[in-house]
Amino acid sequence: GNSVTQMEGPVTLSEEAFLTINCTYTATGYPSLFWYVQYPGEGLQLLLKATKADDKGSNKGFEATYRKETTSFHLEKGSVQVSDSAVYFCALLNTGGFKTIFGAGTRLFVKA
Amino acid sequence: DGGITQSPKYLFRKEGQNVTLSCEQNLNHDAMYWYRQDPGQGLRLIYYSQIVNDFQKGDIAEGYSVSREKKESFPLTVTSAQKNPTAFYLCASSIKGPTDTQYFGPGTRLTVL
Repeated sequence: GNSVTQMEGPVTLSEEAFLTINCTYTATGYPSLFWYVQYPGEGLQLLLKATKADDKGSNKGFEATYRKETTSFHLEKGSVQVSDSAVYFCALLNTGGFKTIFGAGTRLFVKA
Repeated sequence: DGGITQSPKYLFRKEGQNVTLSCEQNLNHDAMYWYRQDPGQGLRLIYYSQIVNDFQKGDIAEGYSVSREKKESFPLTVTSAQKNPTAFYLCASSIKGPTDTQYFGPGTRLTVL
């Protein structure tokens, strides 16, 4: 079946450090891939998405590239800020499906 | 301001009682969703509705029920048949369906005592 695996947290970084959160997936067909962010006490917000192989999603300095050969969609940011502290979820939606499959989430702490 | 509202933010109930969680959106979206979030786990879909008076079960629908009588509203009832109802519940909506961006409400944390 479809599944998403992302690195366990928490991830703790100092401000301006480089961020990578790994995400790999298992799916039949050609899914769309997403990163969502959840700030404390709030619902999720879509951060970025990619709908086909080699697409790069980007938003607010975050990037992720859809790699079909490695079934991965790793999230990166060159210089994190304290305000980036949140939980990040990788997710997929298979073609023709209605169920978005979410990873377990990775909590990020950024220290000043 | 357009958005999704969920109320209340915190809800406490005794075991064996049914409880209804509210979800309202004024975004004019057709599709609405209910998810459950447990610590250390991703969101899991409970129910999905693409249009009024139509809904489909997600992966963990047992012990839950929904209605969609109005476009703006998608209430979720947690029944006494749900074996482990304590969780964080998130409602979402999207313009037409799951391929569109989903917008989430702030969530309701339900604790069953």
